[in-house]
Amino acid sequence: EIVMTQSPATLSVFLGGGATLSCRASQSVSRSLAWYQHKPGQAPRLLIYDASTRATGVPARFSGSGSETEFTLTIRSLQSEDFAVYYCQQYYNWPPFTFGQGTKLEIK
Amino acid sequence: ELQLVESGGGLVKPGGSLRLSCVVSGFDFSNYNMNWVRQAPGKGLEWVSSISSSASSVSYADSMKGRFTISRDNAANSLYLQMNSLTADDTAIYFCSLDDYGASPFDYWGQGTLVTVSS
Repeated sequence: EIVMTQSPATLSVFLGGGATLSCRASQSVSRSLAWYQHKPGQAPRLLIYDASTRATGVPARFSGSGSETEFTLTIRSLQSEDFAVYYCQQYYNWPPFTFGQGTKLEIK
Repeated sequence: ELQLVESGGGLVKPGGSLRLSCVVSGFDFSNYNMNWVRQAPGKGLEWVSSISSSASSVSYADSMKGRFTISRDNAANSLYLQMNSLTADDTAIYFCSLDDYGASPFDYWGQGTLVTVSS
């Protein structure tokens, strides 16, 4: 099983600031890596797939990078609606599909 | 508009059973693989099970094997999860989601249904 590890667990950022979230895989997942945004009481939302491709309707302030075992989600000019929990997921080697434990992005 | 709506959650005693449903609208259900993912209280997302578009292939997380059964009815645009021998560790919000072809991200998700296992 591929273990996904996200850091930090919590990130506090000012409105308008930037955020960098990290995700590490225990073995190579090539570029088969997705990022999701999840707010309480809502459906998770796909943001990024194939490590760097934005899903339909995702603003350009969200960007993904990385390959193999190291990945990053970068959010520029944070808006109030961006504060949520973010998960990475690998879909390279399954079952099982595996998620990171999440990074909570909160307003400073 | 694409919609996934889960139902069937509720309170069940340890050792009991529950059947979850997910009704999908707004796209050609029979062309997509479907998945169940859960989130225990205060925890992250955990993949539960997947089923291919034709139901010819199913897979489960190890802790669910032998207890959970995933199925689908393409004529009814519906996905199901039969859960047996439930324990407190199965308490979670259960989400259904879809993906294009198996080795692909989960494009769309429902809002989830809460399952509580307690005596």
